[in-house]
Amino acid sequence: SAVISQKPSRDICQRGTSLTIQCQVDSQVTMMFWYRQQPGQSLTLIATANQGSEATYESGFVIDKFPISRPNLTFSTLTVSNLSPEDSSIYLCSAREGGGETQYFGPGTRLLVL
Amino acid sequence: DAKTTQPTSMDCAEGRAANLPCNHSTISGNEYVYWYRQIHSQGPQYIIHGLKNNETNEMASLIITEDRKSSTLILPHATLRDTAVYYCIVRPTRGSGNTPLVFGKGTRLSVIA
Repeated sequence: SAVISQKPSRDICQRGTSLTIQCQVDSQVTMMFWYRQQPGQSLTLIATANQGSEATYESGFVIDKFPISRPNLTFSTLTVSNLSPEDSSIYLCSAREGGGETQYFGPGTRLLVL
Repeated sequence: DAKTTQPTSMDCAEGRAANLPCNHSTISGNEYVYWYRQIHSQGPQYIIHGLKNNETNEMASLIITEDRKSSTLILPHATLRDTAVYYCIVRPTRGSGNTPLVFGKGTRLSVIA
């Protein structure tokens, strides 16, 4: 199974600033995803991080607000830009090997915006 | 939209079997049933998945009805550490693309001493 780590594990940010979250997988994976979990809610898919091309965003999420990079098969970053208190959430990285049946999750990054 | 329906919450006595139901009446022939759980302040953890046969691993058993419209996750001897939100998710099989998991609201299982 893939082991996923995220940095930072938590952060407190001021409104108007940005936070970049790093996701590292211990093996090469084809698919990487980013999710958001708002307080008391379930997980919502933000986007699929595509290697070498622009991420594929879900409805309600845009690249200007959530730019994503995926330079190789083991690493991705999610930036949450122009932070507001409504962005206070847990952000989770997820990965699955191409054709694989199981999707794995990182421990999440807990963001609080003041 | 999530394609599954689960009870909002359930209680289970420690040491007893926890049976978590899931309705997926619109499931397609090429979709797996997946179960994940999320313990407080952690990322979701994979438990088990199946297509049409019952499955068992070291964590749980998955019973899928013959018509595949519902399933039950069974934790045979629940412990306090099994207290978590359990998510039932349907997703196409590997030959149907790389569709990510879509989460519903899940069932909050409380294991009581």
